[in-house]
Amino acid sequence: DAGVIQSPRHEVTEMGQEVTLRCKPISGHDYLFWYRQTMMRGLELLIYFNNNVPIDDSGMPEDRFSAKMPNASFSTLKIQPSEPRDSAVYFCASRNLETNYGYTFGSGTRLTVV
Amino acid sequence: SQKIEQNSEALNIQEGKTATLTCNYTNYSPAYLQWYRQDPGRGPVFLLLIRENEKEKRKERLKVTFDTTLKQSLFHITASQPADSATYLCALDIFPGRSLTGANNLFFGTGTRLTVIP
Repeated sequence: DAGVIQSPRHEVTEMGQEVTLRCKPISGHDYLFWYRQTMMRGLELLIYFNNNVPIDDSGMPEDRFSAKMPNASFSTLKIQPSEPRDSAVYFCASRNLETNYGYTFGSGTRLTVV
Repeated sequence: SQKIEQNSEALNIQEGKTATLTCNYTNYSPAYLQWYRQDPGRGPVFLLLIRENEKEKRKERLKVTFDTTLKQSLFHITASQPADSATYLCALDIFPGRSLTGANNLFFGTGTRLTVIP
């Protein structure tokens, strides 16, 4: 199993541009989570899906952030327009409650907005 | 407000000794508590999970305790090695699948950076 796959690994963009982060969860995992990690705030949950349906998006900071999961093997997190304060590492994680309560995280996307 | 505290930002320990990391929380009633390891530039890696009705869990050189009265978990690495150097995160699992429409969130502490000195 290749694990949770995120792309790109690094993204540098100018303020105001649209940014799209991608995630492929582990096959068979029915929960998918998007987290953001910063030095100041640590790991924060942005949104999570269960069986491709968004369940809780209360962590999404603003309307500039949106996430989709069109099928069980793909999810995107979009920021439009991006701002310098969005600079962080964004992690995707997946989980299958039937087999393991532990989360499997991807390697993250380091986003820098200049 | 809800809070998870890990005892210190950084902990240095001599190789071969036991490292003990602390996780304290307030205003939660977690059903599960999890510990993760994070290396620089990588995502957190799941290590151990302990349930609210369990006092202790072991896995190889790792041991976790969970005291719901004190609202505290201790994470021990025995016979520590330089390869154990990393940041360790505790996370509270509040509603692990109890309700599909309820909160299902893993609240993370800010982590303790452990350095094992050869």
